[in-house]
Amino acid sequence: EAGVAQSPRYKIIEKRQSVAFWCNPISGHATLYWYQQILGQGPKLLIQFQNNGVVDDSQLPKDRFSAERLKGVDSTLKIQPAKLEDSAVYLCASSLGHLSTDTQYFGPGTRLTVL
Amino acid sequence: GENVEQHPSTLSVQEGDSAVIKCTYSDSASNYFPWYKQELGKRPQLIIDIRSNVGEKKDQRIAVTLNKTAKHFSLHITETQPEDSAVYFCAARDSNYQLIWGAGTKLIIKP
Repeated sequence: EAGVAQSPRYKIIEKRQSVAFWCNPISGHATLYWYQQILGQGPKLLIQFQNNGVVDDSQLPKDRFSAERLKGVDSTLKIQPAKLEDSAVYLCASSLGHLSTDTQYFGPGTRLTVL
Repeated sequence: GENVEQHPSTLSVQEGDSAVIKCTYSDSASNYFPWYKQELGKRPQLIIDIRSNVGEKKDQRIAVTLNKTAKHFSLHITETQPEDSAVYFCAARDSNYQLIWGAGTKLIIKP
C-alpha cells in the first residue's frame, strides 16, 4: 500500500516570496490534515479536510496561508508571502474517516527554510 | 481548550533498561490518546493508542497506561534497544475532536 506522498521534500525561499506544497493521501482516505512542525515542537494542526470540505482551519493564518483539496483527493498548501517564522516542516497526514480516533498516517514532510 | 503537557523533554536510559514518558491533559472529555514515534528526519508513526474505556494496553515491549481521574497517561518501553532512540509524542483528542499534541520527549538509548 502506497503511503502519503508529499513534494517537494525541501524548499528554501526568501521572505516575502510564495511557496506551495503538494500532498497525495493514501487512496481511499477521506480525511486529510496539514500540520506545521517547528523544530523541537510537536505538530500543530493547520487545517483538516473531510473529502473536499474544510472541517477545521482555526489555526491557519489565513492572511498568508491557504489550502485546497480539489476533488477530495490531492491537496495543496500555499504560503504567500512567507515570513521567517514560517520555517518549519510541513506534514501532511491522512486517515480513513473523519473521527480523530482513526489512525493518522503521515507523509515524509516538506522542510521549508525562509531566509 | 485541551492542553497536553509531556515530561521529560529528554530521557537518557541504558540499553536494556525501561523508559517511561508521562503526559497530562486538561480536558476531562478527552477519550483517545495515541503515541507517535518520530525518528530523526522522518515522519511521525503511530506506535500505540488507548481509549478512555481501558486503563492499560500492551504491545510487546510497549505499554500505555491511562489514569482518567488524574488525567494523565504514560508510555512504558521495556528492554530498550538502540532502535528505540527517537522523539516520542503523546496526543489527546479534545472535546472538539481534534488531536492536541505534546511537545515531545527525546529518548536516548545509551549502549
